[in-house]
Order: sequence, then C-alpha cells, then structure tokens
Amino acid sequence: EVQMLESGGGVAQPGESRRLSCAASGFTFNAYSLAWVRQAPGKGLEWISSISGSAITTFYADSVKGRFTISRDNSNSTLYLQMPSLRPEDTAIYYCAKYQGYHGSGSFDYWGQGTLLTVTS
Amino acid sequence: QMTQSPSSLSASVGDRVTISCRASQGIANALAWFQQKSGKAPQLLVYAASTLQSGVPSRFSGSGSGTEYTLTINNLQPEDFATYYCQQYYSSIRTFGQGTKVEI
Repeated sequence: EVQMLESGGGVAQPGESRRLSCAASGFTFNAYSLAWVRQAPGKGLEWISSISGSAITTFYADSVKGRFTISRDNSNSTLYLQMPSLRPEDTAIYYCAKYQGYHGSGSFDYWGQGTLLTVTS
Repeated sequence: QMTQSPSSLSASVGDRVTISCRASQGIANALAWFQQKSGKAPQLLVYAASTLQSGVPSRFSGSGSGTEYTLTINNLQPEDFATYYCQQYYSSIRTFGQGTKVEI
C-alpha cells in the first residue's frame, strides 16, 4: 500500500525558513517523480514543484521559482521542500504527491494528507 | 492555463452534473480530474481525459479533446458533494483549474 506522510508544518514568522518532509513507502521510490502541491486557506490547488526520480530534473511554478528548493533522498524514500524567507502568502496546506507513471508521466495518483504551514507575525 | 466552469453549482441527489475545463492550448488529452472533500487530500478520479481511476464509481465519466474537457457525474450521490479540479499534465509545469464546488 502506497503511503505518503508530510511533516514540518506549523507556525513560522515572516522571513524564517522551514523544511517540509514527505516520507513515502509502498512503491519503488526512485522510479517515480514526485511533486509538492499547496492549497491556501479556502483556495484552490496550486502545483508548486516537481522532481524526477533521479533528482536530476526539477521544475518550479513561477510563484516559488528562485525561492523554494525541492530535493529528495532516495536512500531514505523522503521528499523535501526547503522554504527560506517565508511570506504570509506561503500560508497553506502543503501536499506531496506521486506521479502515476515512470519518467515523470501522468498525473498524481497518490497524495499525502498534507501539512499546514502558517506564516504570521 | 486551465479555466474551469462553473465555480460552483447546486444540485440534488439523483441529478446529472457537468463540469467544464478549457485549456489555453491543446493538451492532447493529458487531463485529469480530482475530487476533494472538505479537510481531505484530493483524490484522482479520471486521467487521460476519460479513463477512470481504479475504484472510481462508473457514474463518473470524462470526455473531451483538444482544449475542451468535461467531467460528468450521473445520478449524483450524497458522497459526491465536494470540490472538483481539473489538471493538465501535458506540460512539465502542471496546472490546475480553479475548482468547482458541488453543493446540495
């Protein structure tokens, strides 16, 4: 059974840094691309970043490009999102998601339950 | 860019509901639909525009091509009241529609 469990959320002040983690199990971790998707309170889903199985290729939404860094540790089946210089508008539930197919193909077939990050002074 | 409509709709149990999604350019059927219930993570319903994910009831169906896609729910059930999102995966830069809330 595929499981994905995010952690690292909580309350942060503007300007602080935070690293989110997503521990995965139940599939061949390094064979699949992974993604982070966030959802601001009462708003829709926003894809923010993806990383290939080998970690060689990464993609970012314009809203976080140059600020957030996605990475993964295939030896520990864990996905990360490093978020420096947090802003109030980064307040959201952050979900990790697994791609359906190999080589970054398909949509997202499994999601974690999400971790809430609140950025406030 | 994905434009979804309507943003919300009211329906009754047993109704047929249709949600539309328009892409700003052709996406070659690389279109998925998700259902999200309050406080829960999204769940994949349909991929490749019309293929039901395993375990999804047959009252859900997807159709479309090019830039225009539709999710249809026949015989709406109480558990179907939720928010629905389309997503294109034609581009490495994945994008979602704004969502459609289906209310009683």
